[in-house]
Amino acid sequence: AQSVTQPDIHITVSEGASLELRCNYSYGATPYLFWYVQSPGQGLQLLLKYFSGDTLVQGIKGFEAEFKRSQSSFNLRKPSVHWSDAAEYFCAAHSGTYKYIFGTGTRLKVLA
Amino acid sequence: ETGVTQSPTHLIKTRGQQVTLRCSSQSGHNTVSWYQQALGQGPQFIFQYYREEENGRGNFPPRFSGLQFPNYSSELNVNALELDDSALYLCASGGDGSTGELFFGEGSRLTVL
Repeated sequence: AQSVTQPDIHITVSEGASLELRCNYSYGATPYLFWYVQSPGQGLQLLLKYFSGDTLVQGIKGFEAEFKRSQSSFNLRKPSVHWSDAAEYFCAAHSGTYKYIFGTGTRLKVLA
Repeated sequence: ETGVTQSPTHLIKTRGQQVTLRCSSQSGHNTVSWYQQALGQGPQFIFQYYREEENGRGNFPPRFSGLQFPNYSSELNVNALELDDSALYLCASGGDGSTGELFFGEGSRLTVL
């Protein structure tokens, strides 16, 4: 069955530290991949997306993600975290049918 | 700003009641999808409409139903509400491009008492 896994439920980092959020997918073929951020009580904001081509994708707010086919992963990174990055992050995928499968999310806490 | 708007933003219902949630998609987007996000969970696919026909459904019972209208608006209807239906309901629309990218609204938060 198709699935998206985010192994880390909670991550805590200090402001200014680097960040990596993990995402693994299980699909028959390489799906389209997305990272979203959700602040409390808000909807989903798209950070970045991967469809094909260059495996390092740049997004908004200084985020980037790297697609690794061999590891079925699409990890999100940021070199220096800001306190405003505290939120919940969702990895999502679909295989071209618009039916998105989301991971369970990673809640990021940023220490001042 | 995704161009997808949802109403109401918050509402409270009691168990057994019925609810209708509304969504206005981007002009030209023929696909609309609805997702349920329970507290502390990722969004779950409810169903999808394309040109006013349902063309995909997740693991939700028939009391969850929908409509899509020619003017790019849509509805999610839930009958016989249960406590577990309390969630954020997200509407998303997409065009006819091959990438299947969806644009999400801010959601309607439903509380069932």
